[in-house]
Amino acid sequence: GAVVSQHPSWVICKSGTSVKIECRSLDFQATTMFWYRQFPKQSLMLMATSNEGSKATYEQGVEKDKFLINHASLTLSTLTVTSAHPEDSSFYICSACPQAAGSQETQYFGPGTRLLVL
Amino acid sequence: GNSVTQMEGPVTLSEEAFLTINCTYTATGYPSLFWYVQYPGEGLQLLLKATKADDKGSNKGFEATYRKETTSFHLEKGSVQVSDSAVYFCALSAAAGNKLTFGGGTRVLVKP
Repeated sequence: GAVVSQHPSWVICKSGTSVKIECRSLDFQATTMFWYRQFPKQSLMLMATSNEGSKATYEQGVEKDKFLINHASLTLSTLTVTSAHPEDSSFYICSACPQAAGSQETQYFGPGTRLLVL
Repeated sequence: GNSVTQMEGPVTLSEEAFLTINCTYTATGYPSLFWYVQYPGEGLQLLLKATKADDKGSNKGFEATYRKETTSFHLEKGSVQVSDSAVYFCALSAAAGNKLTFGGGTRVLVKP
C-alpha cells in the first residue's frame, strides 16, 4: 500500500516552454502533498506544500509564479514549471501524506521526475 | 531553525560488515525522526522512524535509537548486503504541517 506515482518519469524540453509534472497517490487519499527538488548528489529541498482545495504554501526563495502547483483532488497534485530555463533542470520529487488519522507524520514519496531543459 | 547533519559519504563496505551512519539534529520542541533510503533510480522509501525519545525504529535489519540527550539518530546494521547499496537520508519533522527537513544524504556502497 501507500504508493505514489509521478508522470512523466523524465522529460526534456526547450528553454521557454512549460512542463507539467503529475503526482498521484494510487491507493490512499492525501490532503497534503509536498514538492521537493533534488540536485545531483545533494539532499532534497522542499519547494512547497500542496493542500487540496487551497493555495500552495511556498518555501522562502521559491518563485510561486514559476512553479505553479495545483492540488485539484485528494489523489492528484501537479507542478508546472513555467518558462523553463536550463537552471531549472533538476530531479523533482513529490510526496503525499495519507489522510487517515494517525498517519500524518509519514510521507510516501514518488519515484521522481527528471527534467532537462535545453 | 531545524537542521539535520549526517556523515558524508561515500561509505564503502564489504558484504557482512557493520554499518553505522551518524545523524544529529537541531530542532525546537520534540521532533519525529526518520531514515529514508533511495535505491538507484528509485524514489525515497521510508526505512524506519521514531517519534519520541528512547524509541528505537527498526526495519530490514536496520536500527536507530532516538537519543534526545545527544540529539542523535544514528543508523546501524549488523551485517550489510550488496542490496543495501543506496543513499540514506536522515530527516526530522517538527514543524506544523509535517514538513520534513533532510540531511545531505550518505551514499553507501556494499561490495561482494
